[in-house]
Amino acid sequence: EAGVAQSPRYKIIEKRQSVAFWCNPISGHATLYWYQQILGQGPKLLIQFQNNGVVDDSQLPKDRFSAERLKGVDSTLKIQPAKLEDSAVYLCASSLTPGAAANTEAFFGQGTRLTVV
Amino acid sequence: AQSVTQPDIHITVSEGASLELRCNYSYGATPYLFWYVQSPGQGLQLLLKYFSGDTLVQGIKGFEAEFKRSQSSFNLRKPSVHWSDAAEYFCAVGGGNKLVFGAGTILRVKS
Repeated sequence: EAGVAQSPRYKIIEKRQSVAFWCNPISGHATLYWYQQILGQGPKLLIQFQNNGVVDDSQLPKDRFSAERLKGVDSTLKIQPAKLEDSAVYLCASSLTPGAAANTEAFFGQGTRLTVV
Repeated sequence: AQSVTQPDIHITVSEGASLELRCNYSYGATPYLFWYVQSPGQGLQLLLKYFSGDTLVQGIKGFEAEFKRSQSSFNLRKPSVHWSDAAEYFCAVGGGNKLVFGAGTILRVKS
């Protein structure tokens, strides 16, 4: 079974530039998550999709971050303009059903390491 | 809203010694509990999970964890650590459509 695919693996940009990350979840997984993992911290949820609808984006900095999940499959996370504090690993994960159900296990991609200079 | 505390930022153990990583959670209902491991440059891999039933759960790579409701804890254990276990370990609590992670514990293994 193919896992969660993310690209690119690494990205270096200057502050105020824009960047986009792509995620392809496991086939059939209805729920998709984007997490931000700053060095030395645990992953923090940015946004959660259920199919192509947003379930939770309460911690997404909406003035600069945006995300979409076209047709309920692939997802793109964008940052515009980037700030130095956005340097982090961005993890995409997917799960079969929403978090409250028994099948809560989330499968993670390898992440995209973003460095803003 | 749920939260997770991993009190130990770093732990160093000798190869072959036993290991216990602590995790305390806060959640108003019955939680779903997880332990993930992350090697450098890698994503998170699930070690084990607790949903219900037997409070002692077995996972991959010889790990186990025990859910103690009275202590709001879900500590991870391994009887004999191998050098390849050096990594960062995250406890997570799921519920109410959310999955919340602790800050992680970095495990160092000395030979």
